[in-house]
Order: sequence, then structure tokens, then C-alpha cells
Amino acid sequence: GENVEQHPSTLSVQEGDSAVIKCTYSDSASNYFPWYKQELGKRPQLIIDIRSNVGEKKDQRIAVTLNKTAKHSSLHITETQPEDSAVYFCAASKGKLIFGTGTRLQVFP
Amino acid sequence: ETGVTQTPRHLVMGMTNKKSLKCEQHLGHNAMYWYKQSAKKPLELMFVYSLEERVENNSVPSRFSPECPNSSHLFLHLHTLQPEDSALYLCASSQDLRTGNTEAFFGQGTRLTVV
Repeated sequence: GENVEQHPSTLSVQEGDSAVIKCTYSDSASNYFPWYKQELGKRPQLIIDIRSNVGEKKDQRIAVTLNKTAKHSSLHITETQPEDSAVYFCAASKGKLIFGTGTRLQVFP
Repeated sequence: ETGVTQTPRHLVMGMTNKKSLKCEQHLGHNAMYWYKQSAKKPLELMFVYSLEERVENNSVPSRFSPECPNSSHLFLHLHTLQPEDSALYLCASSQDLRTGNTEAFFGQGTRLTVV
């Protein structure tokens, strides 16, 4: 079955800096790669997703890249703000969603 | 509000109790999931249902028993749990498992404590 690994497990950045979270997956048949943000005490919510026919997607300060050959996806957050502090999960899917182990991002003012 | 509602929000139960978690979605989705969230494994897939049929059982102990009576409702029946089963149990739904590229919407979760 699908196995998703995510790095780093924790990430601390200064407000205004960029943050990058990396994800690798094992099943080359996976065709959908969403990223979720979970704030403290809240449910995970989709922030951006990418499908296997696309290499990069941007939404304001957030971008996701996909390298299908390397089975690798990255989340990039630019100009980080304290409200970006949360746990971020990548996932891979060819049907059911398998999540990575999460990255706790802390943005210090 | 994502359209996925879980009850109860908090549950404390003894190891000999029997209780049930409920999940309801009003999004017209065909797939529903149970995930377990703990410090050790942040989002661990337990069960997947597609059109009320169980399509995945991720080596979950039999003390957890899912039920999907229709595509809008999902239950997780609990009996003789262990303290290590204490966790946040999240329900999610998505449009369709066949295409595999649709967003999953999560409920708020049930915080379960086994004493």
C-alpha cells in the first residue's frame, strides 16, 4: 500500500521568512496530492492540492510542487505570518487518502 | 462548518464500557473514513467505506467495529478498549473513491479518553 513520509517534523521560522515542507510517497499510481493545515484544536482543512498532470500550483503565498518521477511533493509558504503556525499534512491518493506524519510549523513574530 | 458533524465531541469511557461514535455528512459524498489521531501517528487511516461498503480495514483491532448504514452516516462502535486507544477520532468524507482526486472534508473529531 501507499506509504507517505514527511520532513521535517518541526520547523521554526521568523515572520516574513519562507517555509518549505517536503513529502515523499511510494505508490506511483497515486494521482492526487493535497496538503492540509490543522490549527490547534481544530480539524484538518485543505489548503492546496495538485494532480499528477501538473508540476506546480500557486495560491497567493502558498505553492505546491510535484515531481512524479521522484515521487516527491513540496509545500512552500512565503512571507510567513504568525497565523501560519499549525501542523501541516501532505497526503497521496489513488482513491483513499494516506497522510504523512505531519510538520509542526511555528512562525515567531 | 464543513458539512461533516461528529458526536460526541468528548467521551470518557472505562475499559469495560461499550460506546459508539457517530458521524454524519450532508455533502452528498459517497466515501467516508475513520482516522485516528494521536501523538505517535498523527493521521492514521482506520476504515474506508465507499457506497456503504467497507473497502479498507487497516489492521484495526476488533474492539473497533465500524458501521455504515447509509452513505450519510458512519458509526464507530467501541468495546473493551485499552488506555492506549485514547486519541482524537476523526471522521471524513469525500465525493468518490473511484476518481481518487477529490478533497476530503473532516469533522471536528471526538476526543476519546479510556480510563
